[in-house]
Amino acid sequence: RKEVEQDPGPFNVPEGATVAFNCTYSNSASQSFFWYRQDCRKEPKLLMSVYSSGNEDGRFTAQLNRASQYISLLIRDSKLSDSATYLCVVTRRGANNLFFGTGTRLTVIP
Amino acid sequence: DTGVSQDPRHKITKRGQNVTFRCDPISEHNRLYWYRQTLGQGPEFLTYFQNEAQLEKSRLLSDRFSAERPKGSFSTLEIQRTEQGDSAMYLCASSPGLIYGYTFGSGTRLTVV
Repeated sequence: RKEVEQDPGPFNVPEGATVAFNCTYSNSASQSFFWYRQDCRKEPKLLMSVYSSGNEDGRFTAQLNRASQYISLLIRDSKLSDSATYLCVVTRRGANNLFFGTGTRLTVIP
Repeated sequence: DTGVSQDPRHKITKRGQNVTFRCDPISEHNRLYWYRQTLGQGPEFLTYFQNEAQLEKSRLLSDRFSAERPKGSFSTLEIQRTEQGDSAMYLCASSPGLIYGYTFGSGTRLTVV
């Protein structure tokens, strides 16, 4: 079973819409959680860490549900520049590396 | 410090040739990682260094692959006898600790023809 599972999309939303992505992780020993953004043919870049209490950064809100082992990312007031692939990322106790999901592709349409 | 640097950005090679990629991490980061990414997939872990010690290797890292990080600074990833299935983006990342996540380099895109 994969460490992290995401709906690959694509999600096509109009400008100004609110869109939410979820991902699930398989190991209850997962400790740290992140969302990365990856533009086409570019490297992944850290968008935000995900904290147990939930956290917000401008139009982006991340939430963690440890009981159900899922992480969410909410994007409000979508911009054309939000078009990218969003990667869900976790660590696991005892592991030395990050585990990446396959990514969810978002296209914001004018 | 301008972040993580990778060289070359692109590499086209014939099947059976050897290739070597270089990564220069952020100087303050003692952890260095190599990942491979193919189209439509997330990055897959290959190997991890803490300073000069290679502490972990994925099962993906066949015996044709070798990585080094002499003196705990830059790292190289070599692929011997390349195969078409090796075509991918090879990403290097560095980190001061997992709770901070990674900073990735721009990657080396390998095409084996």
